[in-house]
Amino acid sequence: DAGITQSPRHKVTETGTPVTLRCHQTENHRYMYWYRQDPGHGLRLIHYSYGVKDTDKGEVSDGYSVSRSKTEDFLLTLESATSSQTSVYFCAISDRGEAFFGQGTRLTVV
Amino acid sequence: SQQGEEDPQALSIQEGENATMNCSYKTSINNLQWYRQNSGRGLVHLILIRSNEREKHSGRLRVTLDTSKKSSSLLITASRAADTASYFCATDSNTGNQFYFGTGTSLTVIP
Repeated sequence: DAGITQSPRHKVTETGTPVTLRCHQTENHRYMYWYRQDPGHGLRLIHYSYGVKDTDKGEVSDGYSVSRSKTEDFLLTLESATSSQTSVYFCAISDRGEAFFGQGTRLTVV
Repeated sequence: SQQGEEDPQALSIQEGENATMNCSYKTSINNLQWYRQNSGRGLVHLILIRSNEREKHSGRLRVTLDTSKKSSSLLITASRAADTASYFCATDSNTGNQFYFGTGTSLTVIP
């Protein structure tokens, strides 16, 4: 794996609670991404970052926020988790060209 | 959405046979990439083909790109049981900053 660590790897949370997922890279890549993967939908882009404090929305950004205060860390926050946000979340990094993925975080909202 | 679509959704072949999967996309691209995902794991990059390339090889993999038809194909030759996985194509945005994935082809190689 290309120096990407996602934490936690698994989480169960209750509806309405805030949740933060962390992505940490050691590759010094400029671009970082958060995707969610659901059956029948493939991977869908939630948010991405093109530098420290520079972020933009993806296809399915509603209900999610992100922050990048350091090159190596990209945080995804669910302000108030809903059952529809039960999914597997993947972080990816890129320096233009190919993207490298983390191992994923399985989030269950009950 | 710029999301690509893979075809077929599922493919089952015998070990040693070739596997071909296709990807269609909607808008102009700079690059197209193919990824593999083993069950419960993250995606692994296989190959990148640029919009000005028509064919690319990497080991047992052969990728073609037809930008006039907005389609690509991935051929895995002499398949092995270890090739069993889901395969995704990904296209980039016109700025090259974002990657859009299809829903994948699930490949099963029977020993």
